[in-house]
Amino acid sequence: AQSVTQLDSQVPVFEEAPVELRCNYSSSVSVYLFWYVQYPNQGLQLLLKYLSGSTLVKGINGFEAEFNKSQTSFHLRKPSVHISDTAEYFCAVNPRGYGGSQGNLIFGKGTKLSVKP
Amino acid sequence: EAGVAQSPRYKIIEKRQSVAFWCNPISGHATLYWYQQILGQGPKLLIQFQNNGVVDDSQLPKDRFSAERLKGVDSTLKIQPAKLEDSAVYLCASSPGSLLYTDTQYFGPGTRLTVL
Repeated sequence: AQSVTQLDSQVPVFEEAPVELRCNYSSSVSVYLFWYVQYPNQGLQLLLKYLSGSTLVKGINGFEAEFNKSQTSFHLRKPSVHISDTAEYFCAVNPRGYGGSQGNLIFGKGTKLSVKP
Repeated sequence: EAGVAQSPRYKIIEKRQSVAFWCNPISGHATLYWYQQILGQGPKLLIQFQNNGVVDDSQLPKDRFSAERLKGVDSTLKIQPAKLEDSAVYLCASSPGSLLYTDTQYFGPGTRLTVL
């Protein structure tokens, strides 16, 4: 079975500091990988996704993530955060057709990023 | 373009009552998903539709939950009767449906259900 582990439930950082949100996945088949962001009282919004090709993926709002197949990780990074980045971030995998999957996502429990002035 | 619409945004009911949620996906999107997000957890898929057919409902508690997508557009999710453990945010998402594994899913704002 596939699973996603987000190692930190909460990450507090100061404005303009770099941040890394960690995500590890477990899967016996190839997966597609996603990061979503959820602002308070809003739905989830796609930040970036890894499908194939370059392991470094750039997304919106200055975020990027690196796929590491050997470590089964897909960590999210931003070199300098803003107050407006305060939100909850979810890592998700989409197993490629495994077990009859038709494209649904398996999410981690989320990491709450709190950016302080 | 308009996003995924959901209503109501909030609902409070007593246990054993019934409740229904409505979702209107992005125009032209063939695939529609309902997720349940319990406090402190990531969203969990309940049911997935492709047009008006069910693709995956393996995690839907069918003894109390039901969903339909008439005419392949709007969808309703119903709980009857509700239990305390059904308290959660119910998220609807849609995607174009042409590339199931790589499509971006677009989420609505969710319906927060509290069961007392």
